[in-house]
Amino acid sequence: QKEVEQNSGPLSVPEGAIASLNCTYSDRGSQSFFWYRQYSGKSPELIMSIYSNGDKEDGRFTAQLNKASQYVSLLIRDSQPSDSATYLCAVNIDNNNDMRFGAGTRLTVKP
Amino acid sequence: DTEVTQTPKHLVMGMTNKKSLKCEQHMGHRAMYWYKQKAKKPPELMFVYSYEKLSINESVPSRFSPECPNSSLLNLHLHALQPEDSALYLCASSHALGAGIEAFFGQGTRLTVV
Repeated sequence: QKEVEQNSGPLSVPEGAIASLNCTYSDRGSQSFFWYRQYSGKSPELIMSIYSNGDKEDGRFTAQLNKASQYVSLLIRDSQPSDSATYLCAVNIDNNNDMRFGAGTRLTVKP
Repeated sequence: DTEVTQTPKHLVMGMTNKKSLKCEQHMGHRAMYWYKQKAKKPPELMFVYSYEKLSINESVPSRFSPECPNSSLLNLHLHALQPEDSALYLCASSHALGAGIEAFFGQGTRLTVV
């Protein structure tokens, strides 16, 4: 069983819509969860971290964590073409700096 | 400052060459990582150093040899690589413990083995 799973997409949304990205993880003891954005040919850029159940909002981005369901999601409101990228979910396994990535979801925002 | 600096940005090496990739951070982070990323794939963990000690080695072939000379520097020594080792090599750093363990990535070294 893969440790971190994401729907690889592609996910296409119109400009101004809400993009919803989902991730599940297998290690019930994980405490730290991250969303990275990666543009083609570039390195991953951290956009959100979340450690507690519930929602965490930062501008147009909202991360949601449900540890009971082992599920973390990212919502992007008012999507812009510049949001088009691959979004990587990362989980810190066992809280020992063992950070694993999901396969990534490729998002395209159409003008 | 959330900068992780990697050098070189690009590297072409033959299968008999020896080269090194370098990574530096001045954020006071005590965990440093090497990841390998192939095209259209996620980063794949290779090594983690915590407090300058190797804490995770993901069964990486011995032709890749990591080194952490001090808390700010991380090297990856390369020897007798194969063409399939061509990839983007990413360095990252984070705090070693506690809630603030977000990892920040360098720009990567794009390695081509010929």
